Amino acid sequence: DAKTTQPNSMESNEEEPVHLPCNHSTISGTDYIHWYRQLPSQGPEYVIHGLTSNVNNRMASLAIAEDRKSSTLILHRATLRDAAVYYCICKIIFGKGTRLHILP
Amino acid sequence: DVKVTQSSRYLVKRTGEKVFLECVQDMDHENMFWYRQDPGLGLRLIYFSYDVKMKEKGDIPEGYSVSREKKERFSLILESASTNQTSMYLCASTNSVGGGSTDTQYFGPGTRLTVL
Repeated sequence: DAKTTQPNSMESNEEEPVHLPCNHSTISGTDYIHWYRQLPSQGPEYVIHGLTSNVNNRMASLAIAEDRKSSTLILHRATLRDAAVYYCICKIIFGKGTRLHILP
Repeated sequence: DVKVTQSSRYLVKRTGEKVFLECVQDMDHENMFWYRQDPGLGLRLIYFSYDVKMKEKGDIPEGYSVSREKKERFSLILESASTNQTSMYLCASTNSVGGGSTDTQYFGPGTRLTVL
């Protein structure tokens, strides 16, 4: 199973863009990259997913490297409500995620 | 709207008790999962089921069993609860587990179990 690696934590200022990196060097050719986030006291919720092309939705953008061994979740303008743990996964294996702190 | 519900948000049990955690999904999903989440350890998969009456062990199945008698319901059973099973338990469901576009997991709100 493809394993993902993410930084333990990151910090960003409010209203600035945030780039959350993820490495998935063992990803197979047909695996999608999914991102979830978990707000305090809630279950994880879906954010975005993609295969090869960059993807945008109302929550975020996903930039996927050409070799697909890494990806970056982009929050264009972080708010305090974006403070959460962000998980990047391929197939069903969750790692420890990145805890994102937003500074007012 | 997609929905996964769990029977309790908070549960307190005593050591040695038999504990049932119930999960129901209304999306007609084939696959259902039970995870536990502990500080600093992320989500760890306990068991999953890809069909009615089918189950597969995850990374940490010891001390747990599961039951899936109906497609929409997946139960996690602690036969004899112990204090080291105090944790947050999360249920999820998805249409696929193959790494494809349809395998977005939908999670319930979680059950915080305390075993005294």
